Amino acid sequence: QQQVKQSPQSLIVQKGGISIINCAYENTAFDYFPWYQQFPGKGPALLIAIRPDVSEKKEGRFTISFNKSAKQFSLHIMDSQPGDSATYFCAPDPRSNDYKLSFGAGTTVTVRA
Amino acid sequence: KAGVTQTPRYLIKTRGQQVTLSCSPISGHRSVSWYQQTPGQGLQFLFEYFSETQRNKGNFPGRFSGRQFSNSRSEMNVSTLELGDSALYLCASRQWGGHTEAFFGQGTRLTVV
Repeated sequence: QQQVKQSPQSLIVQKGGISIINCAYENTAFDYFPWYQQFPGKGPALLIAIRPDVSEKKEGRFTISFNKSAKQFSLHIMDSQPGDSATYFCAPDPRSNDYKLSFGAGTTVTVRA
Repeated sequence: KAGVTQTPRYLIKTRGQQVTLSCSPISGHRSVSWYQQTPGQGLQFLFEYFSETQRNKGNFPGRFSGRQFSNSRSEMNVSTLELGDSALYLCASRQWGGHTEAFFGQGTRLTVV
């Protein structure tokens, strides 16, 4: 059972542009919505996360937008920089210890200088 | 605080052999999860251990097994290796209960020839 659908699979953006990655989910028990960032040769690391009581959270150039009714959340990277080139994963999480933390398929972002 | 440590970093094995990978979690973290990462399949959940007990399991054959020790360190074993087992194996540790960040190691790159 596919818990999350992440899109696009990859994207290329010019330096200074905006990158947008989407994650759609089915499980209404999810109540924590993180994005992880992975650089080549490294393990993923938490980038930013949101709880469903807010519709948007911003940390620096990274923003999560959450749409509970559509069961979607997205990551926006503003003023994209070459150092943002990485693979991004969504990993929604329910309030349950029995849930196996699963990740979206990943989006590879390439920022061209 | 030391991060998640995985050993070895690289491994080359022959088809039919078996392999054991090791993961030392962050001090105080009692949950350890294992993931297989391949270019075509993204991050696939293998299993999660807490208090020396397997709490969750992904859809992998029985050739993949794991265990956790009383100090929370974990090992995973793959028997009768197949070419398709070539992948980056990542381990993540986190505190148990509620929504907690998963901290990943750098992974073990397994190549089966």
